[in-house]
Amino acid sequence: GIQVEQSPPDLILQEGANSTLRCNFSDSVNNLQWFHQNPWGQLINLFYIPSGTKQNGRLSATTVATERYSLLYISSSQTTDSGVYFCAVEVTGGGNKLTFGTGTQLKVEL
Amino acid sequence: ETGVTQTPRHLVMGMTNKKSLKCEQHLGHNAMYWYKQSAKKPLELMFVYSLEERVENNSVPSRFSPECPNSSHLFLHLHTLQPEDSALYLCASSHDQKGGYTFGSGTRLTVV
Repeated sequence: GIQVEQSPPDLILQEGANSTLRCNFSDSVNNLQWFHQNPWGQLINLFYIPSGTKQNGRLSATTVATERYSLLYISSSQTTDSGVYFCAVEVTGGGNKLTFGTGTQLKVEL
Repeated sequence: ETGVTQTPRHLVMGMTNKKSLKCEQHLGHNAMYWYKQSAKKPLELMFVYSLEERVENNSVPSRFSPECPNSSHLFLHLHTLQPEDSALYLCASSHDQKGGYTFGSGTRLTVV
């Protein structure tokens, strides 16, 4: 099956700092999503981004499908950004089967 | 609230019990999913229903039995579970393969 690797696995930031999270995947995909899981387990869809660039407030994401990677940018981080960030992909022609990476655990400190 | 509601939020059950998890969405989505999240592991897809028909059963033990009576409701029936089945069970929905998935808050299950 497809491999989805995220880096870094853990990240600690001071409030106000910027960061870039990376997602590499091993096959052609037609669906790529970024999620944030808060400390209570709730998964929130941040971006649906199989290709191109999108921005939503302090967050933006870029997927380069031909090179099989995606980046999530967090600017001016806040303590509420803490949690786990997951990248998830669906293989082209693979049906409804979203495969998740192992996540990046982010902690933003004052 | 995300538009996908899961109940109960927490469940403790013995290995001989039978219980059911419920998921409900009113987003107009036509695909629904069960995922399992264990400690230190990536989310694992368990079941996929598209247009109320099961299209994926990801080698899940038969002690987990899904049911999708209509496009808005999804159940996961549990019986004779093992302690290693303790995990966060997440339901999600989507508009088939278009667009993002919306997840519920999950049911944290403990098997004793």
